[in-house]
Amino acid sequence: AQTVTQSQPEMSVQEAETVTLSCTYDTSESDYYLFWYKQPPSRQMILVIRQEAYKQQNATENRFSVNFQKAAKSFSLKISDSQLGDAAMYFCAYGSARQLTFGSGTQLTVLP
Amino acid sequence: GAVVSQHPSRVICKSGTSVKIECRSLDFQATTMFWYRQFPKQSLMLMATSNEGSKATYEQGVEKDKFLINHASLTLSTLTVTSAHPEDSSFYICSAIPPNRNTEAFFGQGTRLTVV
Repeated sequence: AQTVTQSQPEMSVQEAETVTLSCTYDTSESDYYLFWYKQPPSRQMILVIRQEAYKQQNATENRFSVNFQKAAKSFSLKISDSQLGDAAMYFCAYGSARQLTFGSGTQLTVLP
Repeated sequence: GAVVSQHPSRVICKSGTSVKIECRSLDFQATTMFWYRQFPKQSLMLMATSNEGSKATYEQGVEKDKFLINHASLTLSTLTVTSAHPEDSSFYICSAIPPNRNTEAFFGQGTRLTVV
């Protein structure tokens, strides 16, 4: 079974600074997807960024980028120029065969 | 993007009664939908996979008779919490994956269930 580990239960960052959230996973599959979801206080799950395992190039979405290290099974999220609206719980997720496995989450606080 | 709508967003019910939660895919057909439960400050725990026209697949430890799932159409799945008790109070979330999106799931707004 796949497992996803987020070793940072809580993180904080100063507004306008950069923060990196860590995620590692375990799998024996070669074809899969990785996601970062954001859950703000409203608790609506919002997709932040996705990465296909077969792509070597790291995904980017505006201020959000990932560092995908397939051999190390690592998938970290970097948030640049942090904004107050980025404060939320962030979940790393592994996807394969239309199933998702979530990490335990990282609560991000943005300090003004 | 794809839209998944969940209703109600909040519900309070008395112990011993049943509560139905609806999950709809508004702009795509979903042969499969997923139901999660989330405790405060914890991750999403998959409860069951809802399959259109057939029985749901439940995760280990989830009571099938307590959490009834029906997926009668390609756009609607329902979760019924039967004979609810205070320990069933939680946040329930559904999701669905559009046919052309591989494993990228879209989530409903969630339902906060409080059993008193």
